[in-house]
Amino acid sequence: EMQVVESGGGLVKPGGSLRLSCAASGFTFSSYSMNWVRQAPGKGLEWVSSIHSNSDYIYYADSLKGRFTVSRDDANNSLHLQMNSLSAEDTAVYYCAMETTTTGAFDIWGRGTMVTVSS
Amino acid sequence: DIQMAQSPSSLSASVGDRVTITCRASRTIRKSLNWYQQKPGRAPKLLIFAASSLQSGVPSRFSGSESGTDFTLTINGLQPGDFATYYCQQNYNTPWTFGQGTKVEIK
Repeated sequence: EMQVVESGGGLVKPGGSLRLSCAASGFTFSSYSMNWVRQAPGKGLEWVSSIHSNSDYIYYADSLKGRFTVSRDDANNSLHLQMNSLSAEDTAVYYCAMETTTTGAFDIWGRGTMVTVSS
Repeated sequence: DIQMAQSPSSLSASVGDRVTITCRASRTIRKSLNWYQQKPGRAPKLLIFAASSLQSGVPSRFSGSESGTDFTLTINGLQPGDFATYYCQQNYNTPWTFGQGTKVEIK
């Protein structure tokens, strides 16, 4: 079964940093594009970042202003999101989502990890 | 950026009803439009991809259509498990963008 599981969320002070991880299993991780999507409490979905297989293409939402960095470790079937200079506006559930087909739709999602930025 | 205007933001319906949700793209996205269902406390679930293709395992009462920059999700015969929030998403150009969501509630 194809599965992704996020970890690394928690409570962090404004201005702090956090590194999220997404562990993949049940498929050849290196073959697929991966994404981060977040959802603030009571709000809608917001795409954060995408990284293609081989890391040849990487995209970010403009709103992140260079504070986040996505990376992948194909040897260990994992995806990461380094988040710096966090503010209350970054408080959200962060989902890892993958595209298993060339359509680009996000067809496998993790359960998410909660990030709370508060003093 | 491509904006996705989704409507309505919420609706009330009864079991068995036909429900339609619309997304309008701010410019052409061809057929690069996906629909997701999200239940409270759960991750989104892909229902429809490429505007009208049904994701494997999704009941056939869900369907999608496209007319220019207007996209529609239709649920024919609403079931109790369909009460949820639905989102459209374009994957034509980055940044990928979602609609604001439509909450389908029980009348």
